[in-house]
Amino acid sequence: GENVEQHPSTLSVQEGDSAVIKCTYSDSASNYFPWYKQELGKRPQLIIDIRSNVGEKKDQRIAVTLNKTAKHFSLHITETQPEDSAVYFCAASGRGLTGGGNKLTFGTGTQLKVEL
Amino acid sequence: DSGVTQTPKHLITATGQRVTLRCSPRSGDLSVYWYQQSLDQGLQFLIQYYNGEERAKGNILERFSAQQFPDLHSELNLSSLELGDSALYFCASSVGVLTDTQYFGPGTRLTVL
Repeated sequence: GENVEQHPSTLSVQEGDSAVIKCTYSDSASNYFPWYKQELGKRPQLIIDIRSNVGEKKDQRIAVTLNKTAKHFSLHITETQPEDSAVYFCAASGRGLTGGGNKLTFGTGTQLKVEL
Repeated sequence: DSGVTQTPKHLITATGQRVTLRCSPRSGDLSVYWYQQSLDQGLQFLIQYYNGEERAKGNILERFSAQQFPDLHSELNLSSLELGDSALYFCASSVGVLTDTQYFGPGTRLTVL
């Protein structure tokens, strides 16, 4: 099945700096890669996603890049703010064990801390 | 607010018991997904239903089962509960069956004592 690795597990940056989180996936059939932000005890919230027919996508301070050949994708946050502090999860969408569905396999998460 | 609702918010029960978690998807969404989030296992996919039919399965334990009803709400049943089943259980929904964006509900925190 799909395996998603995420690095780093913790990331501390100064306010205004950029943050980069990287993920690799194993299943070349995966074609959808969302990023979720999760605050403590809250639901994962989609912040950006990319599909395999696109190499880069940007939404204001957030961008995601995808390298299908190397099977890795990255989240870039520019001009970080204290409210960006949270756990960020990457995910890859592939088929479930029975096939035919939409199973998200998540990375292990990155705790981002933006310091004043 | 994602539009996905889950009840109850918190559930405390004892080992060996059975509980039912409920999820209502966003209006118009036909797929419902269940995920388990624990400290040591992260976010794990359990099962997906689309318009009442099971469509994808993860490493869901045999003690766990789910169904989706004609009104599209879903229930996750957990039986013979063990201490290790304590976790946050999230429901998500999407429009279709394949690689559509999934929106998560607020979760149910299950504590097994």
